[in-house]
Amino acid sequence: GQNIDQPTEMTATEGAIVQINCTYQTSGFNGLFWYQQHAGEAPTFLSYNVLDGLEEKGRFSSFLSRSKGYSYLLLKELQMKDSASYLCAVRDRGNQAGTALIFGKGTTLSVSS
Amino acid sequence: SQTIHQWPATLVQPVGSPLSLECTVEGTSNPNLYWYRQAAGRGLQLLFYSVGIGQISSEVPQNLSASRPQDRQFILSSKKLLLSDSGFYLCAWGLAVSGELFFGEGSRLTVL
Repeated sequence: GQNIDQPTEMTATEGAIVQINCTYQTSGFNGLFWYQQHAGEAPTFLSYNVLDGLEEKGRFSSFLSRSKGYSYLLLKELQMKDSASYLCAVRDRGNQAGTALIFGKGTTLSVSS
Repeated sequence: SQTIHQWPATLVQPVGSPLSLECTVEGTSNPNLYWYRQAAGRGLQLLFYSVGIGQISSEVPQNLSASRPQDRQFILSSKKLLLSDSGFYLCAWGLAVSGELFFGEGSRLTVL
């Protein structure tokens, strides 16, 4: 089975940098995703890592270490609109659901001025 | 470009009533389709997935069912709703290679 852990809540101020960590356990790792979800809305794709290292996309970066079962999402130059829930999800070859993503419970980020 | 739509957006149903949520995808053929549920304080839970017409796999035993009568249509149903069925239901289609999911707008169900 899969186990995905991430902090429940985080707070930060505008302009700051925040790092959201995610640890996971899978039987056949096949990719890690980060999604952003604003309250009452559907999740939207942020990033995808399948190899170790850092993937940068504008203000957002995502890091993966497969040997440690660890990833983080780094958000720079925080803006009020970044207040949302951030979901870590993994794709597991050992999962009977094949391409389905298994999600963590999400980290609610609150950005204050 | 691909689009995904689901409806209704919001519904309030009494316990014991039936349910039907519909999802359609445009702009892609033979997509992998998924139903997820997000209950208060919980993460996205995979309910059903389908890799083709008439092919449904269930991840969680419950009083819900799913059907795929057409290539790009995915339906979530229940004959008798329970209070615990309340939540935010999300339909998604996925890229076969990377696994990236694209979600519909979501359907918020409140069972009273």
